[in-house]
Amino acid sequence: EAGVVQSPRYKIIEKKQPVAFWCNPISGHNTLYWYLQNLGQGPELLIRYENEEAVDDSQLPKDRFSAERLKGVDSTLKIQPAELGDSAVYLCASSPLGTSNGELFFGEGSRLTVL
Amino acid sequence: DAKTTQPPSMDCAEGRAANLPCNHSTISGNEYVYWYRQIHSQGPQYIIHGLKNNETNEMASLIITEDRKSSTLILPHATLRDTAVYYCIGHSGNTPLVFGKGTRLSVIA
Repeated sequence: EAGVVQSPRYKIIEKKQPVAFWCNPISGHNTLYWYLQNLGQGPELLIRYENEEAVDDSQLPKDRFSAERLKGVDSTLKIQPAELGDSAVYLCASSPLGTSNGELFFGEGSRLTVL
Repeated sequence: DAKTTQPPSMDCAEGRAANLPCNHSTISGNEYVYWYRQIHSQGPQYIIHGLKNNETNEMASLIITEDRKSSTLILPHATLRDTAVYYCIGHSGNTPLVFGKGTRLSVIA
């Protein structure tokens, strides 16, 4: 069984440029999460989807961050424009049984460096 | 979700048991204790979870005290590949997992 696939693995951009990250969850997993992980910290939730609906986006900085999961399968997280402080690892995770189940499957993450 | 407290770092000799403690004194009766680990440059990986009873799987054992205020994750024979950050998380209901800083376990040859 294929795991959660994320791309790109690494991205270096200059500040004020846009960037997008893509996530393909495990087949059949209805719940999808985007987490942000700063160096030396644990992952922090940005947004959670149940199928194509964003059910928790309270931690997503909506002035510059956006996300979509149009067909309830893969998802894209965008930052426009990027700031120096956005340098971090962006993790995608999926789960088959909703948030009540705490067993999440994570991708390897996309490491963003903003110069 | 219950707030958990873990030591920032631990060392363990290769081949010995690694015992990782976690305090969760504010855990409520319906909150499970979840453990994840994160190897360098990878995403977190689910290890095990439990509510009241001790649990064991192919990766680890979880011992939860009777008052449920603390737990210990046991890796019975630690290898160098077990070097990682280990997260203890209290979780229930319809809220996502909340990760703390975890314990950085270094397995030493």
